[in-house]
Amino acid sequence: SQTIHQWPATLVQPVGSPLSLECTVEGTSNPNLYWYRQAAGRGLQLLFYSVGIGQISSEVPQNLSASRPQDRQFILSSKKLLLSDSGFYLCAWSKGLSTGELFFGEGSRLTVL
Amino acid sequence: GESVGLHLPTLSVQEGDNSIINCAYSNSASDYFIWYKQESGKGPQFIIDIRSNMDKRQGQRVTVLLNKTVKHLSLQIAATQPGDSAVYFCAENARGGGFKTIFGAGTRLFVKA
Repeated sequence: SQTIHQWPATLVQPVGSPLSLECTVEGTSNPNLYWYRQAAGRGLQLLFYSVGIGQISSEVPQNLSASRPQDRQFILSSKKLLLSDSGFYLCAWSKGLSTGELFFGEGSRLTVL
Repeated sequence: GESVGLHLPTLSVQEGDNSIINCAYSNSASDYFIWYKQESGKGPQFIIDIRSNMDKRQGQRVTVLLNKTVKHLSLQIAATQPGDSAVYFCAENARGGGFKTIFGAGTRLFVKA
């Protein structure tokens, strides 16, 4: 069966510090991978998605970046965090080369102080 | 399009009643629609999906209705239970949209015992 894990689950960082959130998927090959952000009590905003290694599509201009160094690994990064980067970050995957159901990770709650 | 900046609308229903959650979408090219349920502090989970060549699909206690003429999607939950309390999101994939999934604003459902 397929599983998705993301970490860390909770993170408190000062403004201006770097960020690295990691997500890995097991049990499937060539998945589509996604990063979403959710502000408290609000909807899900698509940040990045990837259909293959090294292929990243950015949906929102911001100080975040994403990388996919391996087929089942997706990393969300920032060199300098802003207060507005606080939120609940969700990694998800779907079966490659098709539109379909998203499978979400447990989420990473980031608080920037 | 995305409505991530809006506070979630709420729907309050009595246990045992039927719930109807509505969603409007704006992209005429969308051809695949999904409803997700998100419990507090967790990632969204798939409930039911529908493709644009259908106007109704039923699952266990849930029914999704699609009206392409007015770009409207609804989720009906029969005999609503306390465990149904959560935030519900509709999501869409657009034909030719590169497999990206865009979420609607979400609705918070409260079930009164």
